[in-house]
Amino acid sequence: EAQVTQNPRYLITVTGKKLTVTCSQNMNHEYMSWYRQDPGLGLRQIYYSMNVEVTDKGDVPEGYKVSRKEKRNFPLILESPSPNQTSLYFCASSLAAQGGRETQYFGPGTRLLVL
Amino acid sequence: SQQGEEDPQALSIQEGENATMNCSYKTSINNLQWYRQNSGRGLVHLILIRSNEREKHSGRLRVTLDTSKKSSSLLITASRAADTASYFCATDAGGSNYKLTFGKGTLLTVNP
Repeated sequence: EAQVTQNPRYLITVTGKKLTVTCSQNMNHEYMSWYRQDPGLGLRQIYYSMNVEVTDKGDVPEGYKVSRKEKRNFPLILESPSPNQTSLYFCASSLAAQGGRETQYFGPGTRLLVL
Repeated sequence: SQQGEEDPQALSIQEGENATMNCSYKTSINNLQWYRQNSGRGLVHLILIRSNEREKHSGRLRVTLDTSKKSSSLLITASRAADTASYFCATDAGGSNYKLTFGKGTLLTVNP
């Protein structure tokens, strides 16, 4: 089944404890992206990647890191999480490098609480 | 920056009625998309309309695009309780920025 998977789905952590949220897609998509969704603010893009080893900042990159060593994986790293990073996170992918502009396929989301 | 803005923020209708949601945007676009999100879940793509198209249909969905007014509408006909969800428009503004910009969504509630 074609899908985008994220792990973990739910995470409670404490301020400053490094964490990684994994994202994997099995559709051979070139474009991958991370969003955060907060009440009243909608979806905001954190980082995106147009291909292996090609990443760029979105609208709200501060406090996050990403890497794209393999085409299928695009982990989101919070080196020192803070409470303002409590949010619902979504990974998405799209077929072509220009696919950031085309149909995006979303993962199920990761709900993060930073205490 | 927020490009698309949906209107209304919330809409409550009875099963069988039609639901219309609107999206306005500020700058010219290559395409506009509509997505659905069931509570707390991932977004699901519904339909994409390009800037040179005026109307598109998919099942019970009808999307219109008026580039002169910088607006789009999503019509869901003969709504069902299962249509209860948040609906987002997303715009591609072109240029070298390969991304979609999402609005804040319309929460549609369809009462049985």
